[in-house]
Amino acid sequence: SQTIHQWPATLVQPVGSPLSLECTVEGTSNPNLYWYRQAAGRGLQLLFYSVGIGQISSEVPQNLSASRPQDRQFILSSKKLLLSDSGFYLCAWRSGGTVPSEQYFGPGTRLTVT
Amino acid sequence: DQQVKQNSPSLSVQEGRISILNCDYTNSMFDYFLWYKKYPAEGPTFLISISSIKDKNEDGRFTVFLNKSAKHLSLHIVPSQPGDSAVYFCAASHSGTYKYIFGTGTRLKVLA
Repeated sequence: SQTIHQWPATLVQPVGSPLSLECTVEGTSNPNLYWYRQAAGRGLQLLFYSVGIGQISSEVPQNLSASRPQDRQFILSSKKLLLSDSGFYLCAWRSGGTVPSEQYFGPGTRLTVT
Repeated sequence: DQQVKQNSPSLSVQEGRISILNCDYTNSMFDYFLWYKKYPAEGPTFLISISSIKDKNEDGRFTVFLNKSAKHLSLHIVPSQPGDSAVYFCAASHSGTYKYIFGTGTRLKVLA
């Protein structure tokens, strides 16, 4: 069965510090991978998605970036965090291809920028 | 432009009764719809999905209905249980895209 991991679970970072959140998926190959953010009391905002190694599509042009160095690894980064980057970050995966299918989420990372 | 809308931010239902959560969409290209349940500080859990070639899909206590002409879908939970208390998100996608558009969620509270 497939499993998705995210770490860390919680993170408190000062403004201006760098960020690196990691997500890995087990039990599948060539998945489509996604990063979402949920701000307090809000819905899920798609940040990035990737359909293959090294391929990244950005939905929200901010000071965040994403990378996919391996097939089942997805990394969310920032060089300098802003207060507005606080939120709950979720990684998700679904089977590769363009036919819609179920999308499965990781446990999330709570980021607080102080 | 919010393409997927959940107009009820909250809903309270008595245990054992039916919970009905609603979702409206505007993009006629959407052909695949999903419902998720989310507890605080956890990732959303996939509940049930439906393709636009169907108008109903059932899985245990959960049934999703799709009305394409009205661009409306609903999730029915019968019978409702206290453990169903959570935020429910609907999401939509379509063939040829990799993206999912989520609604803002409805908080369901099942009263014992």
